[in-house]
Amino acid sequence: DVKVTQSSRYLVKRTGEKVFLECVQDMDHENMFWYRQDPGLGLRLIYFSYDVKMKEKGDIPEGYSVSREKKERFSLILESASTNQTSMYLCASSLRGGLGQPQHFGDGTRLSIL
Amino acid sequence: EDKVVQSPLSLVVHEGDTVTLNCSYEVTNFRSLLWYKQEKKAPTFLFMLTSSGIEKKSGRLSSILDKKELFSILNITATQTGDSADYLCAVSSHRRGAQKLVFGQGTRLTINP
Repeated sequence: DVKVTQSSRYLVKRTGEKVFLECVQDMDHENMFWYRQDPGLGLRLIYFSYDVKMKEKGDIPEGYSVSREKKERFSLILESASTNQTSMYLCASSLRGGLGQPQHFGDGTRLSIL
Repeated sequence: EDKVVQSPLSLVVHEGDTVTLNCSYEVTNFRSLLWYKQEKKAPTFLFMLTSSGIEKKSGRLSSILDKKELFSILNITATQTGDSADYLCAVSSHRRGAQKLVFGQGTRLTINP
């Protein structure tokens, strides 16, 4: 079974702090993704990566950056946290595939910015 | 702009009922449509549909895709309280080296005993 592990289930930080969310997958997947999930808005893609050191902006990248130095690890960085970044953050990974491959999700990090 | 719309947004039924959840989409470069179930934690994968008219089935759950009318339905028969969850529809499109998923808002299904 695919295992996607996010480093924290709950996190509380203060406005202006630099925040790191870590994600590790154990199935040698090429693709990794970061989403945020908010009530009524569904999952929205922040950034994704299709290879080591490669990154692409998703639909809502403002205020975020990412790092992928190793294939199994994808980090989301909030450069200067703000209250509107309070949300559930979900990491996912998938194989590369022509018709699309299912993405496998971690359990999420519920981040509160005070 | 890619868009996925699910209906209804919430649904409350009694155990044993049959439910149909809807998903319509407008996506460029369509590859596939996926259904996920989300309880308290990670969304878990249910089905991936790529061809019109071919039903995918798993136990009491089934799903079908209509690529001409751009929609999919997810059916759950003989519902149980354990089916209570958020059901997410997502459409895969190819973008810049990876398959990108666009999600709908989800349907919150509540099964009352």
